[in-house]
Amino acid sequence: KAGVTQTPRYLIKTRGQQVTLSCSPISGHRSVSWYQQTPGQGLQFLFEYFSETQRNKGNFPGRFSGRQFSNSRSEMNVSTLELGDSALYLCASSLAPGGPSEQFFGPGTRLTVL
Amino acid sequence: KQEVTQIPAALSVPEGENLVLNCSFTDSAIYNLQWFRQDPGKGLTSLLLIQSSQREQTSGRLNASLDKSSGRSTLYIAASQPGDSATYLCAVGADGLTFGKGTHLIIQP
Repeated sequence: KAGVTQTPRYLIKTRGQQVTLSCSPISGHRSVSWYQQTPGQGLQFLFEYFSETQRNKGNFPGRFSGRQFSNSRSEMNVSTLELGDSALYLCASSLAPGGPSEQFFGPGTRLTVL
Repeated sequence: KQEVTQIPAALSVPEGENLVLNCSFTDSAIYNLQWFRQDPGKGLTSLLLIQSSQREQTSGRLNASLDKSSGRSTLYIAASQPGDSATYLCAVGADGLTFGKGTHLIIQP
């Protein structure tokens, strides 16, 4: 069974631009979560989607948004990029929403903001 | 607000040693606890999931325990190998996983 896939793997943008990252979950998984990883803050939860609805959201500004499609694929968007948005963005999928299910992570998208 | 702490932050041991990584959390209202490993520049690989009703889980040379009452988990690695070198992350689940900062492990050949 294929794992979680994320595209693109690497991205370079300049301040003020916007970016869209894509995540395809493991087949049969309906919940998708997004995380940001930086050297200073570590891994932080961004948001979780299930059945095309955002269930939970972490403590990030409104510039960070996401959506989920009917096939469970998800995208996240960051508008008006700032230097501090440079990070590894990780997507995770699980069978069901919420905490109890095991989460499986993709390889991540490395975003660099210049 | 849930906080997860991992000790030590870094560890270097010779090959073949048994070792223990520690994880503590402040809020015992968790659904589960998951241990991951992360290789440099890569995503996370799930190692073990302990559900809140369980006390431990084992997979090969890895054994993880969970004590919700004290807010602690340990990951035991037996007979360590150079391929075990990675950063090990502990995360507790409720609404979105909360991660510790990880333990950077180096196994010396």
